[in-house]
Amino acid sequence: EAQVTQNPRYLITVTGKKLTVTCSQNMNHEYMSWYRQDPGLGLRQIYYSMNVEVTDKGDVPEGYKVSRKEKRNFPLILESPSPNQTSLYFCASSLSSGNYGYTFGSGTRLTVV
Amino acid sequence: AQSVAQPEDQVNVAEGNPLTVKCTYSVSGNPYLFWYVQYPNRGLQFLLKYITGDNLVKGSYGFEAEFNKSQTSFHLKKPSALVSDSALYFCAVREPHSSASKIIFGSGTRLSIRP
Repeated sequence: EAQVTQNPRYLITVTGKKLTVTCSQNMNHEYMSWYRQDPGLGLRQIYYSMNVEVTDKGDVPEGYKVSRKEKRNFPLILESPSPNQTSLYFCASSLSSGNYGYTFGSGTRLTVV
Repeated sequence: AQSVAQPEDQVNVAEGNPLTVKCTYSVSGNPYLFWYVQYPNRGLQFLLKYITGDNLVKGSYGFEAEFNKSQTSFHLKKPSALVSDSALYFCAVREPHSSASKIIFGSGTRLSIRP
């Protein structure tokens, strides 16, 4: 089944403790992206990647890192999480043409206390 | 810069009635437009898209959307609402000739269908 897989689904952590949210897609998509969803703000893009070893900042990159060492994986790293990073996170992927929409993962609900 | 607006936070409709979820956009050139639906505790699911061609686009679950260039709108519609249509709906826009990653999402509209 074609899908984007995120792990974990739920995570509670403490301020300052480094964490990684994994994202993997099995559709051979070139483009991958991370969004955070907050009430009343919709989805805001954190980082995106156009292909292996090519990443760029989205609209809200502060406090986040990403890497794209393999085409299928695009992990999101929070080096020192803070409470304002409590949110619902989505990974998404797409073919390069852009005529297609994104395929989204099921989301990761992160709580930083 | 491209942007998309969903003017209604919530839309309430009785089952069996027609529904409309509004979306307006601002881009340079002809836009690529998308609608997504999010059910509770799930990721966003693709409903339909407009790239070019007929202004009326048909999508999943009986939904359709009408592209109106003069009004810069892309409203989502369904002739007869079902209780199972209750969910959060997102409109999204991308400028042509930009990278596929630059899709901007609206703030979302919560659709509530009462029995």
